[in-house]
Amino acid sequence: SQKIEQNSEALNIQEGKTATLTCNYTNYSPAYLQWYRQDPGRGPVFLLLIRENEKEKRKERLKVTFDTTLKQSLFHITASQPADSATYLCALEAVGYSSASKIIFGSGTRLSIRP
Amino acid sequence: EAGVAQSPRYKIIEKRQSVAFWCNPISGHATLYWYQQILGQGPKLLIQFQNNGVVDDSQLPKDRFSAERLKGVDSTLKIQPAKLEDSAVYLCASSFTLGRQGAAEAFFGQGTRLTVV
Repeated sequence: SQKIEQNSEALNIQEGKTATLTCNYTNYSPAYLQWYRQDPGRGPVFLLLIRENEKEKRKERLKVTFDTTLKQSLFHITASQPADSATYLCALEAVGYSSASKIIFGSGTRLSIRP
Repeated sequence: EAGVAQSPRYKIIEKRQSVAFWCNPISGHATLYWYQQILGQGPKLLIQFQNNGVVDDSQLPKDRFSAERLKGVDSTLKIQPAKLEDSAVYLCASSFTLGRQGAAEAFFGQGTRLTVV
């Protein structure tokens, strides 16, 4: 069956450290993968997109890797800050029954950065 | 630019009642999605429109849920009759385009929190 799994429900790290979140998938062949941030009571907000032919993408303190052989994406936040505390969602492109692309989300990892 | 607008923000209904949610996507966005997000879970795609046509509704419980997108712009999602397990946040999102090559980020509204009692 098709699955998207994010490493843990919650991750607690010290301010200043690098947070690493994992997204694994099975029985999908996504053309690209996205990461979103979701704060309580709000809708998800897009952060980064990485395509299947890209190994790594960076944006400020964020870095995403995409390994289509391992079927895994890693999401890193360097020099983490308490303001980075949120739920982070992995989302991948999947082809639906009409051959149209759709975006499927993982269950998310709740990240807490302690001062 | 204005974001995705959803209403109402909150709704409480009794089981077996009906409810409707409204979404106004970002102007010019051809793709519109409705997701259901149960507390502690990721968003689950219910239905996806490309302009005013449905391109995926494989996860929509069609015996009680329906959705339409009028003139390829606004959309409504209806539940009739509601069950207790429909309690969730209903998120609407839109994107400029979507495809294997034309990947685009999805912009989400704040969602409608539905409580069925």
